[in-house]
Amino acid sequence: QKEVEQNSGPLSVPEGAIASLNCTYSDRVSQSFFWYRQYSGKSPELIMSIYSNGDKEDGRFTAQLNKASQYVSLLIRDSQPSDSATYLCAVRIQGAQKLVFGQGTRLTINP
Amino acid sequence: DGGITQSPKYLFRKEGQNVTLSCEQNLNHDAMYWYRQDPGQGLRLIYYSQIVNDFQKGDIAEGYSVSREKKESFPLTVTSAQKNPTAFYLCASSIPGTGYGYTFGSGTRLTVV
Repeated sequence: QKEVEQNSGPLSVPEGAIASLNCTYSDRVSQSFFWYRQYSGKSPELIMSIYSNGDKEDGRFTAQLNKASQYVSLLIRDSQPSDSATYLCAVRIQGAQKLVFGQGTRLTINP
Repeated sequence: DGGITQSPKYLFRKEGQNVTLSCEQNLNHDAMYWYRQDPGQGLRLIYYSQIVNDFQKGDIAEGYSVSREKKESFPLTVTSAQKNPTAFYLCASSIPGTGYGYTFGSGTRLTVV
């Protein structure tokens, strides 16, 4: 089992709808969770971080964490064509010195 | 402005040649990392360093070497032993500790010719 798993997609969502991206992780002592957005040919940029169970909102983005189910998600409200990118989930395990990345989900917003 | 600078942006390597990718940061971060990304794939860790003069192998270190002589710099050498080096290479830095994510450089795209 991979340490961090994401559906590779592609995920296609109409403009204005909610895009839902999911990530599961295998290590129960994972402490920190991050979502990165990567446009084609560019480097990843951090868009959300979450550390506690529940929801964290930042503008159109909401991260959701459920440690009991080992599940973290990213919701994008009012999706825009500019949100079309690959979204990478990353997890930092307690005491670890590095992040573990999922393979990414490719999201396409259709006008 | 603080950030991470990777150079060059594009690099072409001949068969059997060693090449060095540069990574410099002015964020005063202790930790630095090198990742490789192949088309349609996630990030795979090559090497990382938590402190000057110390570094650890990641998941795919074979055929690569690094040094960390200064806090600001973490160059990656792709040696001739790396048989399939064509990829997008990303350098990142971070404050050590569980609460911090990475800041990435803009990447170097390496192609074997």
